[in-house]
Amino acid sequence: ETGVTQSPTHLIKTRGQQVTLRCSSQSGHNTVSWYQQALGQGPQFIFQYYREEENGRGNFPPRFSGLQFPNYSSELNVNALELDDSALYLCASSLVVSKNEQFFGPGTRLTVL
Amino acid sequence: SQQGEEDPQALSIQEGENATMNCSYKTSINNLQWYRQNSGRGLVHLILIRSNEREKHSGRLRVTLDTSKKSSSLLITASRAADTASYFCATDTAGTYKYIFGTGTRLKVLA
Repeated sequence: ETGVTQSPTHLIKTRGQQVTLRCSSQSGHNTVSWYQQALGQGPQFIFQYYREEENGRGNFPPRFSGLQFPNYSSELNVNALELDDSALYLCASSLVVSKNEQFFGPGTRLTVL
Repeated sequence: SQQGEEDPQALSIQEGENATMNCSYKTSINNLQWYRQNSGRGLVHLILIRSNEREKHSGRLRVTLDTSKKSSSLLITASRAADTASYFCATDTAGTYKYIFGTGTRLKVLA
């Protein structure tokens, strides 16, 4: 158990809809990163938040957006869902940006029909 | 594109044997981490090795890092059926904030 929780566990949406995924960081961690993992692939970095500010972004379109709250919990929002957005979405928390190990949550499995 | 590339893509061994997986990367790093993932679930952190370290041990795990060759290896000794999983290396490019994962090695340990 890493102390990082994600909700929901599974989600089925229809193309064009919007979705919000949630992550609760490990206690004391001020950095959260989000990853997308397609079936059979390694996780792909979406973006990272540090103290409520976006700290960097991977190659994902603007319809992928996020928030980090004062208690360091986080949301990933995806608008205008596409079939290719079907994946496991992972969040990871860490204490210091890019210096320490990341602790991953169990992920949210999103299926877009 | 993925920075880390694991080799082999898949590995099948008998229980009790050692398993070795390799990871290559392209740019300078601060550190390299190895993770395990069981059947599409969350990633479990195994070990972190910093760029100024050459070898690290944790239980049955041994990780080496060769920054001149931009490569790392993960050795699991005396493997068990419970070690069956996908193993990923992840690197953070020096001066940036993000970790780049490879495509993973799928290890199957046969009882």
